[in-house]
Amino acid sequence: EVQLVESGGGLVQPGGSLRLSCAASGFTVTNYWMHWVRQAPGKGLVWVACINSDESTINYADSVKGRFTISRDNAKNTVFLQMNNLRGEDTAVYYCAREFNSGSYWGQGTLVAVSS
Amino acid sequence: QTVVTQESSFSVSPGGTVTLTCALSSGSVSTRNYPSWYQQTPGQSPRTLIYTTNIRSSGVPDRFSGSILGSKAALTITGAQADDESEYYCLLYMGSGISVFGGGTKVTVL
Repeated sequence: EVQLVESGGGLVQPGGSLRLSCAASGFTVTNYWMHWVRQAPGKGLVWVACINSDESTINYADSVKGRFTISRDNAKNTVFLQMNNLRGEDTAVYYCAREFNSGSYWGQGTLVAVSS
Repeated sequence: QTVVTQESSFSVSPGGTVTLTCALSSGSVSTRNYPSWYQQTPGQSPRTLIYTTNIRSSGVPDRFSGSILGSKAALTITGAQADDESEYYCLLYMGSGISVFGGGTKVTVL
C-alpha cells in the first residue's frame, strides 16, 4: 500500500528554518516525481516544489525560490523540504504528493506556523 | 506569471449535472498540460479524481469525468450526490515539473 507521511512542522519565528520530511512506503521515491504542495488556512492549494526520479530536474514556485530546497534520501525513501528565512505568508499545511500525471497519492500534511 | 482560473462556486441539485472548468491566463489548455482534478473536504487531504485529462483514479465513481472543452479543461459530475459537496481543484502542468493549481471551485449540492 502506498503511503506518504509528512513530519517536521511546527511553530517557528519569522526568519527561522524548518526541515520537513516525507517518508514514503509501498513504492520507491527514485522511480517517481515527488512534489510539495501547501495550503494556507482557508485558502487554496499551491504547488511549491518538485524533484524528478533521477534528480536531474528540481524546480520551485517563485514565492519560495532561493529560500526552500527539496532533496531526497534514497536509502531512507524520504523526501525533504528545507525551508529557510521563513515568512508569515509561509504559514500553511504542507503536503507531500507523488507524481501528478499517474494518479497521485498525497500525505496527510504537516502544519507550519510562522509567527513571533 | 501563469494564472489558472476556476469558477469560485457552483450549486447543483441532487441528481443533476455540473461542469467545472479550468482556464489558463495565456493560451488554451491542452492535453500537454496533463490536467488533473482533486476533491477536498475541510480538514482532509486532497483526493485525486482525474489525471492526464480524463483518466479516473482508482475507486473514483464514473459519475466524474474529465475532458477538454474548447480552450479549457473540464470536470463533469453527472448525477450529483450529497457527498459530492466539496472543494474541487484543477492542476495544470507547465513543463519542467512546474505545476499550477487553480483557485478551487466550491460545489454545493442542494
